[in-house]
Amino acid sequence: DAKTTQPPSMDCAEGRAANLPCNHSTISGNEYVYWYRQIHSQGPQYIIHGLKNNETNEMASLIITEDRKSSTLILPHATLRDTAVYYCIVRGSGGGADGLTFGKGTHLIIQP
Amino acid sequence: NAGVTQTPKFQVLKTGQSMTLQCAQDMNHEYMSWYRQDPGMGLRLIHYSVGAGITDQGEVPNGYNVSRSTTEDFPLRLLSAAPSQTSVYFCASSYSANRGNSPLHFGNGTRLTVT
Repeated sequence: DAKTTQPPSMDCAEGRAANLPCNHSTISGNEYVYWYRQIHSQGPQYIIHGLKNNETNEMASLIITEDRKSSTLILPHATLRDTAVYYCIVRGSGGGADGLTFGKGTHLIIQP
Repeated sequence: NAGVTQTPKFQVLKTGQSMTLQCAQDMNHEYMSWYRQDPGMGLRLIHYSVGAGITDQGEVPNGYNVSRSTTEDFPLRLLSAAPSQTSVYFCASSYSANRGNSPLHFGNGTRLTVT
């Protein structure tokens, strides 16, 4: 699976949109971009994923550039409960073991 | 909607004791897996299963056994606990063993301390 690069930390004001960037310049055509977050002492929480098109669900939006080399996770109206470490992961298709490598992620801090 | 349920939440064992960490999912997911998370190490895959009756080893399987007799349950057994197995253990499941378009959903973990 391709490697990803994220800023180590970001701040965002409560109520504002939080935009978290991710670079994945070596992504290949059949690899998906996934976003997870982990709030201290809880299990990783799935947020959203996409292949080529932009995606939106009840939690967030995912914007993938046309060349697929980078993406942005958008939390439209951040709340204090969105403070967490956010992980951008590239996952290939296929079966077998799913190692799901989490990098260091971005520590997002929502300020009141 | 319970999702992935892990029990117990916390456990303290003495070296040499055995125990079973329970994991159950109610989403009829085909794929289930166990990870451990240690500070600075990220998630490491212990064992996984692509369906009932099928299990296989992950990255760090030594000292652990699994079985998958039903679609819903995937228990993790520690045969003889060692201090090196002190960790947070996460169970995860996904709809399909074809991982690309099938998100993994995690439980909230079991925090195990071996003294």
